[in-house]
Amino acid sequence: DAGITQSPRHKVTETGTPVTLRCHQTENHRYMYWYRQDPGHGLRLIHYSYGVKDTDKGEVSDGYSVSRSKTEDFLLTLESATSSQTSVYFCAISESNVPEQYFGPGTRLTVT
Amino acid sequence: RKEVEQDPGPFNVPEGATVAFNCTYSNSASQSFFWYRQDCRKEPKLLMSVYSSGNEDGRFTAQLNRASQYISLLIRDSKLSDSATYLCAVTVDSNYQLIWGAGTKLIIKP
Repeated sequence: DAGITQSPRHKVTETGTPVTLRCHQTENHRYMYWYRQDPGHGLRLIHYSYGVKDTDKGEVSDGYSVSRSKTEDFLLTLESATSSQTSVYFCAISESNVPEQYFGPGTRLTVT
Repeated sequence: RKEVEQDPGPFNVPEGATVAFNCTYSNSASQSFFWYRQDCRKEPKLLMSVYSSGNEDGRFTAQLNRASQYISLLIRDSKLSDSATYLCAVTVDSNYQLIWGAGTKLIIKP
């Protein structure tokens, strides 16, 4: 299995609080992605990164920001959590020039 | 219309049977195609890439039909352990971003 970890694995937070999720990889892959997965929807891309300090928005980026200061770490921040952001968040990685992505174990976030 | 569509199922199939399901995509420029498997409350895991010529891996066969814009996954001699949700994903541009179907749930019954 690819060396990808996510932390925390579970979190319950209140509406309006900031939340940061961390994705850490040991594969030295260039690309990293943040998705959310909700019932009835496919995985939806929030943000992705194509290198250190290089990030771009995905399909559902509103309310989320990201940072990548090191190759191995990709952080997802919810500036002010809302109940609509209750979801399972997956981080994924891929090498340059190949489309296959490999996923971390996910973070279950509940916003009350 | 969604870019990538799958029948959500569930497909209830007896052990040992053959089962197949499809995934349709709307963008004719789609370049790469994949099947992932996702167990309950787990992360998606790459099952197979789908090549133009089709490909087989043990009991699993994946095929691409560009004319009708769908990919298929065939599972032969199904096992209880095949019970999972199967996700398809396609790329549509050179950035290799994946567009995902919502998944087909498969339940293999003894």
